[in-house]
Amino acid sequence: DTAVSQTPKYLVTQMGNDKSIKCEQNLGHDTMYWYKQDSKKFLKIMFSYNNKELIINETVPNRFSPKSPDKAHLNLHINSLELGDSAVYFCASSGTTNAYGYTFGSGTRLTVV
Amino acid sequence: AQSVTQLGSHVSVSEGALVLLRCNYSSSVPPYLFWYVQYPNQGLQLLLKYTTGATLVKGINGFEAEFKKSETSFHLTKPSAHMSDAAEYFCAVGPGYSSASKIIFGSGTRLSIRP
Repeated sequence: DTAVSQTPKYLVTQMGNDKSIKCEQNLGHDTMYWYKQDSKKFLKIMFSYNNKELIINETVPNRFSPKSPDKAHLNLHINSLELGDSAVYFCASSGTTNAYGYTFGSGTRLTVV
Repeated sequence: AQSVTQLGSHVSVSEGALVLLRCNYSSSVPPYLFWYVQYPNQGLQLLLKYTTGATLVKGINGFEAEFKKSETSFHLTKPSAHMSDAAEYFCAVGPGYSSASKIIFGSGTRLSIRP
């Protein structure tokens, strides 16, 4: 069983479309995250949810909206996709403390054409 | 506030040579420190971590790192490089308490291994 699973793995779409990325973790963790990795491999946190409550919301365009139906799931919906949204998006989860770091999913490579 | 700086975006070593990837951090509170590895087209995998206690920490695949508070460093080493070590390596820092606080990642160092 994959600990943190993301779908889809690859997503190619046209500018202006709306798309969603799903994430699920089976580790029993309380906190989930979305990170964006750009073409230079730089990782930037976007959002964090703790037990379905939004706790970190970095400076991200409001076209990006996270949704957490329960503490095992954190989805990312993106409206009106732009070329600059092309990146790899990683979901991660952690327990009640940072001491164990994060467990990452394998990523979703989004390409906007 | 916390930040992390990785010195060298690309390091190339010969197979069998010492690997040294440098990381310096800044933190206003006692930090937790991490090294992650990312193989091509994969997610990040935790290599090792420092939380409290022994300052020399050992991780997977023969890697180790030493927490030096006086130098605010957490450099990653491996005595003998293997071809399979070629990957992107990320140093990261987080505050040593609630998971509600984010972990900050460095910009990454790409490690290449020459035959």
